[in-house]
Amino acid sequence: AQKITQTQPGMFVQEKEAVTLDCTYDTSDPSYGLFWYKQPSSGEMIFLIYQGSYDQQNATEGRYSLNFQKARKSANLVISASQLGDSAMYFCAMREGEEDSSYKLIFGSGTRLLVRP
Amino acid sequence: DAMVIQNPRYQVTQFGKPVTLSCSQTLNHNVMYWYQQKSSQAPKLLFHYYDKDFNNEADTPDNFQSRRPNTSFCFLDIRSPGLGDAAMYLCATSRDKSAGAINQPQHFGDGTRLSIL
Repeated sequence: AQKITQTQPGMFVQEKEAVTLDCTYDTSDPSYGLFWYKQPSSGEMIFLIYQGSYDQQNATEGRYSLNFQKARKSANLVISASQLGDSAMYFCAMREGEEDSSYKLIFGSGTRLLVRP
Repeated sequence: DAMVIQNPRYQVTQFGKPVTLSCSQTLNHNVMYWYQQKSSQAPKLLFHYYDKDFNNEADTPDNFQSRRPNTSFCFLDIRSPGLGDAAMYLCATSRDKSAGAINQPQHFGDGTRLSIL
C-alpha cells in the first residue's frame, strides 16, 4: 500500500489566489513527521514546512500552512497569495518513528503546480 | 551560508564509462544521503551514510557505489553507466537519523543531472 498519496498530478491556480495541495498518508506508527518540499524546474529540493504527529497546532511558515487532520490521515499544504515563483513540483513526505526505518523519507508522487498570471 | 553543494550541476558521460558525482556540506550533519530521481518521479533513495557507517538500500544496483572520506564530503560512483541511469542525482543531509529525530528535515543540494551518450 502507498504510504504517501498525492492524488493531484497537476494543479492550476491564478496568481494571488490560495491553493491547497492534497496529501494523505498511511502509517501504524504513533510517532511520525510530515514534510512538504518544493522542487522548481531547476531541480533543487527546498524544504517548506514540517508537522509532527503529536503537534497540537497546524504548522505555518509564511505563506505556507499545513491543514493537518490526524483522524483522516491528511496533511494538505495551503499556499496563500500564490506567486509566479510558486510554480513547481511539490512533494509530500513522511518519516516514521520506527527506529530501523526512521532515517527514510518516504515521498509521494508529487503535484505539479502552475501559477497563472 | 551553511549548505549542501553538488558538483557538477550537469554531467555527460559515455555508456559504460565510470563517472563520479560529488557532494559537500558545511552543515556538519552526521547523515548524508544519495537519491536518484527520474523525470516526473519522486526521488528514490540509493544509500546513506551515518558518519562512516554505510547503509545500502536493498534494491540499489551493484553498479552504484559510494564513498565518504570525511564528514564534509560524499561521492557517488557509477561503475558502468547504462542508459537507464540517466537521471537527476540528489545529495541530502540530516543531523541525525534516529527515531527521536524525525522532526529534522533533510537538506538537499541542487542536484547533478546526468546524461548518458
